[in-house]
Amino acid sequence: DQQVKQNSPSLSVQEGRISILNCDYTNSMFDYFLWYKKYPAEGPTFLISISSIKDKNEDGRFTVFLNKSAKHLSLHIVPSQPGDSAVYFCAALNNAGNMLTFGGGTRLMVKP
Amino acid sequence: DAGVTQSPTHLIKTRGQQVTLRCSPISGHKSVSWYQQVLGQGPQFIFQYYEKEERGRGNFPDRFSARQFPNYSSELNVNALLLGDSALYLCASTLGTGPTGELFFGEGSRLTVL
Repeated sequence: DQQVKQNSPSLSVQEGRISILNCDYTNSMFDYFLWYKKYPAEGPTFLISISSIKDKNEDGRFTVFLNKSAKHLSLHIVPSQPGDSAVYFCAALNNAGNMLTFGGGTRLMVKP
Repeated sequence: DAGVTQSPTHLIKTRGQQVTLRCSPISGHKSVSWYQQVLGQGPQFIFQYYEKEERGRGNFPDRFSARQFPNYSSELNVNALLLGDSALYLCASTLGTGPTGELFFGEGSRLTVL
C-alpha cells in the first residue's frame, strides 16, 4: 500500500524552462511534506518543505504547492538548470514526527 | 564539519550470512534513523533511535535490529540475509525528534546479497 506516490518516473526539460514534479498521497493524517534531491552515489539532501496549514512555500527557484483536498503536492523549479538533474523524492512525515514515507522518486533531466 | 558517515560503503554477502552496518551522526545530533532503498524505489523507514532508545520501527522482520551507542553512533544488523535484502541502506541524523522531518543523510552502504 503506497501512501505516497510519484507517478512520473522521469521528466526531461530544457534549461531555463519550468520543471514540475508531482506527488500524491492517500493518508489524510499526513500534515507535513518534504522534497529531497538525490544525486548518484550521494545520500538524499533536503530541498524544501511545507506544512498543511500552508498551500505554498517558496525558496529561491523552488516552490512547493500543496492541495490538501486533492491530496496532491507539486514542486516547481524555475528556471531549471542542468545542475538540477537528479532524482527527486517527495516524503510525508507521520504525526509522531519520527518517520518519513517516501514516494518512488522522479528522475529529472535538464538539458542544456 | 563532517556530515553523516557510514561504513562500509559497499559490501557483498551470501544468503544466510549476517551483516552489520555502521553510522556516525553529525556532531551534536542525537537522533539516528535507518532507511532501506531498493533499486528504483524510494527509501523505506526501518528504525529511529533517540538517546539510545528505539523511538520508531518500520514494517521489517525481526531479522533487522539496531542499536545506538552513548556517543550517538548506531549500528544496523541484519541476520539470515535474503536476496531481497540487497539494497542501499541509508542512515540519517537529526538534532532531536522534533517534527521537522529534515533528515541529514549519509551516502549509504550498498549491500549486495548473492
